[in-house]
Amino acid sequence: SQKIEQNSEALNIQEGKTATLTCNYTNYSPAYLQWYRQDPGRGPVFLLLIRENEKEKRKERLKVTFDTTLKQSLFHITASQPADSATYLCALDILMDTGRRALTFGSGTRLQVQP
Amino acid sequence: EPEVTQTPSHQVTQMGQEVILRCVPISNHLYFYWYRQILGQKVEFLVSFYNNEISEKSEIFDDQFSVERPDGSNFTLKIRSTKLEDSAMYFCASRYSPQSSYNEQFFGPGTRLTVL
Repeated sequence: SQKIEQNSEALNIQEGKTATLTCNYTNYSPAYLQWYRQDPGRGPVFLLLIRENEKEKRKERLKVTFDTTLKQSLFHITASQPADSATYLCALDILMDTGRRALTFGSGTRLQVQP
Repeated sequence: EPEVTQTPSHQVTQMGQEVILRCVPISNHLYFYWYRQILGQKVEFLVSFYNNEISEKSEIFDDQFSVERPDGSNFTLKIRSTKLEDSAMYFCASRYSPQSSYNEQFFGPGTRLTVL
């Protein structure tokens, strides 16, 4: 069966450290992988998109890697701050039976950055 | 900065009643979506809409659900006869995406639907 797994339910780190979040998937061949941030009671906010032919993408303190052989993406936040505390969602662009695509989300990893 | 808006922010209804959730996508976007998130669970795709018709829908999107773009700005999700298990946050999203490229979806703040 198709699955998207994100590492552990919660990740606690100290301010200033690098947070690394993992997204593993099975039985998918996504053309794109996206990372979103979700705060409690709010909608997801797009952070980064990486294509299947890209290995790495950066945006300010954020870095995403995408290994289609391992079927894994790593999401890094460097120099983390308490304001980075949120749930981070991995989302895969999945080809449906109809030939069209739909975004499928993982369950998310809750990050807590301690001051 | 343009954003997706949704109304109401919270809707309480009795089981069996019809509800309409409203969304105003970003004005130049071409693709529109509805997702739901049951409390404590993952965001789940419901339906996508392009060129005035449904382009994809999930197993969740059964005959009780319908979507409409009644004018140039609004995008609605109707649940004909609500069930207790329809209680969730419902998110609308939109995407620009000209044919030659793919880009991210912009989500609204959500409507919390509570079915009693």
